[in-house]
Amino acid sequence: AQKVTQAQTEISVVEKEDVTLDCVYETRDTTYYLFWYKQPPSGELVFLIRRNSFDEQNEISGRYSWNFQKSTSSFNFTITASQVVDSAVYFCALKPSGSRLTFGEGTQLTVNP
Amino acid sequence: NAGVTQTPKFQVLKTGQSMTLQCAQDMNHNSMYWYRQDPGMGLRLIYYSASEGTTDKGEVPNGYNVSRLNKREFSLRLESAAPSQTSVYFCASSESRVGLTPLHFGNGTRLTVT
Repeated sequence: AQKVTQAQTEISVVEKEDVTLDCVYETRDTTYYLFWYKQPPSGELVFLIRRNSFDEQNEISGRYSWNFQKSTSSFNFTITASQVVDSAVYFCALKPSGSRLTFGEGTQLTVNP
Repeated sequence: NAGVTQTPKFQVLKTGQSMTLQCAQDMNHNSMYWYRQDPGMGLRLIYYSASEGTTDKGEVPNGYNVSRLNKREFSLRLESAAPSQTSVYFCASSESRVGLTPLHFGNGTRLTVT
């Protein structure tokens, strides 16, 4: 069985604060991929990042960074100096090699001016 | 680049009516998917097509049928709509046949069944 847990249903921050979105996953496969997607108020889901299970190197892209830790089965997403445009629902997803893609329930991030 | 195009954007049906949601992608992707999004439940896979000519059930296929008309198009049909099918429906495509590449999503169809 596979599962993705995004325990934070909603997060509200003030602009310029740093915020971390948690993602914990479960799978028995040793080979798998992890994804983050963003769903802004317009509704369309947008791909942000993909990591495979053999690459634990953290990644930074501008104000976005991802911390992948196999020891804790977590793939957390941090936004530094948040902006109003970061307000969206963020989904973490897991794709084990032998199973379908599974999405978490999403975290609604609201960045207030 | 249009990407993934879904029609219609909004639809209201009465219980028992039928309709087809259309989806087309212009990225020459192999795989196409239909998801539904409900509050507090993330995205759940209804059906997918790993390649032209094949379709498979996802997590929640009951009450739906699909057709992979060609490589570009993947339609979702509700034969007899029920209030439980009120949801936002997303079509997606990916290059990989086994789901290892990112999904590209359409803008969604908001369906209400009364």
